[in-house]
Amino acid sequence: EVQLVESGGGVVRPGGSLRLSCAASGFTFDDYAMSWVRQAPGKGLEWVSDIKWNGRRTGYADSVKGRFTISRDNAKNFLYLQMNSLRGEDTAFYYCARSPELGIGSGALDIWGQGTMVTVSS
Amino acid sequence: EIVLTQSPGTLSLSPGERVTLSCRASQTVTSSYLAWYQQKPGQAPRLLIYAASTRATGIPDRFSGSGSGTDFTLSISRLEPEDFAVYYCQQYGTSPRTFGQGTKLEIK
Repeated sequence: EVQLVESGGGVVRPGGSLRLSCAASGFTFDDYAMSWVRQAPGKGLEWVSDIKWNGRRTGYADSVKGRFTISRDNAKNFLYLQMNSLRGEDTAFYYCARSPELGIGSGALDIWGQGTMVTVSS
Repeated sequence: EIVLTQSPGTLSLSPGERVTLSCRASQTVTSSYLAWYQQKPGQAPRLLIYAASTRATGIPDRFSGSGSGTDFTLSISRLEPEDFAVYYCQQYGTSPRTFGQGTKLEIK
């Protein structure tokens, strides 16, 4: 079964750090780019970051650039999001998602995890 | 950054009706790299349409997408009870990738 499982969420004080993980299984991990998407409570989806299959190219939303770092370990089938200098507006559910690297579907997020909640509060 | 504007914000409809949702981009979406997602309460989003008009695996043919350039639509030919949800468009041709703010389909 194709599956993405996020972990690492929790409550953190403003200015603090957190590292999210996403465990991938049931597919060839390095055939896919990976993304993080977040959703604040009661709000819409916000794209956060993505990373190519080999980790050599990354992209970030302006709202997190310089504070968040995406990475992946293809040997372990894991995706990560290191979040530093956290702010209240970073409070959200964080989803990881995959997108094919090749073909007509490349770039679209075809499988999503169930998400992990991050709360930034003093 | 490409801004996607979805309309309307909320639609109240009955099962069996046909609906068309709109997604307008502030700039041309590269190569029609436009996707539609469905999200139900408490669930992760699900991919419905990619490349503007291609249905994802397992998506019923009552869902269809069209458009190019800056104007895109998602149509549902006959609403089923399970279709009442929030729908998002996303462009993935240019970084930063961006989502629309969503359209909520509610039962009338």
